[in-house]
Amino acid sequence: TQLLEQSPQFLSIQEGENLTVYCNSSSVFSSLQWYRQEPGEGPVLLVTVVTGGEVKKLKRLTFQFGDARKDSSLHITAAQPGDTGLYLCAGLYNNNDMRFGAGTRLTVKP
Amino acid sequence: SAVISQKPSRDICQRGTSLTIQCQVDSQVTMMFWYRQQPGQSLTLIATANQGSEATYESGFVIDKFPISRPNLTFSTLTVSNMSPEDSSIYLCSVRGRAKNIQYFGAGTRLSVL
Repeated sequence: TQLLEQSPQFLSIQEGENLTVYCNSSSVFSSLQWYRQEPGEGPVLLVTVVTGGEVKKLKRLTFQFGDARKDSSLHITAAQPGDTGLYLCAGLYNNNDMRFGAGTRLTVKP
Repeated sequence: SAVISQKPSRDICQRGTSLTIQCQVDSQVTMMFWYRQQPGQSLTLIATANQGSEATYESGFVIDKFPISRPNLTFSTLTVSNMSPEDSSIYLCSVRGRAKNIQYFGAGTRLSVL
């Protein structure tokens, strides 16, 4: 069974703070995606990482793929209220099966 | 990227009735999926919609309750049959195109069953 764990499940921080969200699996991913979902909308793709050790930056967001392609992290620097939302990681396995993490509900207070 | 139109965006239904949700994509896609999402929670895959053949259902979901059609590469429907309040949820259509590691989502259908 391919199990994808995401943590933390809830995160409430003040504007300006930094945070990291983690996504882990016991199996190797072909690739991993991070999504953000706002109320009333579907998940929107933020980034896809494919290569072990890969780091991608999207403004204040930094995404890292583990060397063994079993884990990933999303780091947000100087969080803003506009970052509030549900963050989801999704791992694509070699059998073309994509699994979603449980999600991290982030609240950034002004 | 793919633009997905999902209808209706929301509905309030009576117990025992059925609702059909439509998903239209602006380009031909290889894979289409239907998910269920409780508010604030992650996604649960209901089934993969296969063109011209029966959908592939995940454990816990059956065709009699969630019949799915996919007549072509750009369109699919999901029906929630004989609804009960436990079916109240957000239903999401999702697709993968040529880049099979990228998946796109519709805005979802918010269903409330009274």
